[in-house]
Amino acid sequence: KQEVTQIPAALSVPEGENLVLNCSFTDSAIYNLQWFRQDPGKGLTSLLLIQSSQREQTSGRLNASLDKSSGRSTLYIAASQPGDSATYLCAVNSGYALNFGKGTSLLVTP
Amino acid sequence: EAQVTQNPRYLITVTGKKLTVTCSQNMNHEYMSWYRQDPGLGLRQIYYSMNVEVTDKGDVPEGYKVSRKEKRNFPLILESPSPNQTSLYFCASSLASFPIEQYFGPGTRLTVT
Repeated sequence: KQEVTQIPAALSVPEGENLVLNCSFTDSAIYNLQWFRQDPGKGLTSLLLIQSSQREQTSGRLNASLDKSSGRSTLYIAASQPGDSATYLCAVNSGYALNFGKGTSLLVTP
Repeated sequence: EAQVTQNPRYLITVTGKKLTVTCSQNMNHEYMSWYRQDPGLGLRQIYYSMNVEVTDKGDVPEGYKVSRKEKRNFPLILESPSPNQTSLYFCASSLASFPIEQYFGPGTRLTVT
């Protein structure tokens, strides 16, 4: 069974810092990997989707990379802002299900 | 507007009283799925459907039923809810018959007393 781990579980940074969130998975036979953002008590917003054949995807200040062979993905957030404060979830698609990590709770302080 | 909708958004009920949480998508998506989210456990899949009349169990199907009679709807049924089913539930859909990219509904917070 695919196991997905996210490190760190929580992170607090001052505004303006660049930061990296990590996601690792145990089975490299994946179709794609998706990063989501979740605000407290709210739904999931898709940030980036990386297909298994891709190495990275970019959207604005966000950049996600994928190293399938080592079972790792990173989400890079440039010039962080207080509005980036949320929980970030990594989800791996190995077939008919998404397997989620438990998330990284990010706090960006002014 | 393309979206996944869930109803109700909040529900408090008592043990044993049957309930249904509805999920509907207007994107003509093939794949639909239900997840529950619990503190410390993350999101776990309950059931999924690859197409009309085709459903399968996820990681935590016990105590739940689903049906897919129409492409746009995928209701989650709790025949006899118990307190351990208190959770935040999400419905999701994807264009293809497997989850190439999933779009999530706003969630339903269920409390069973």
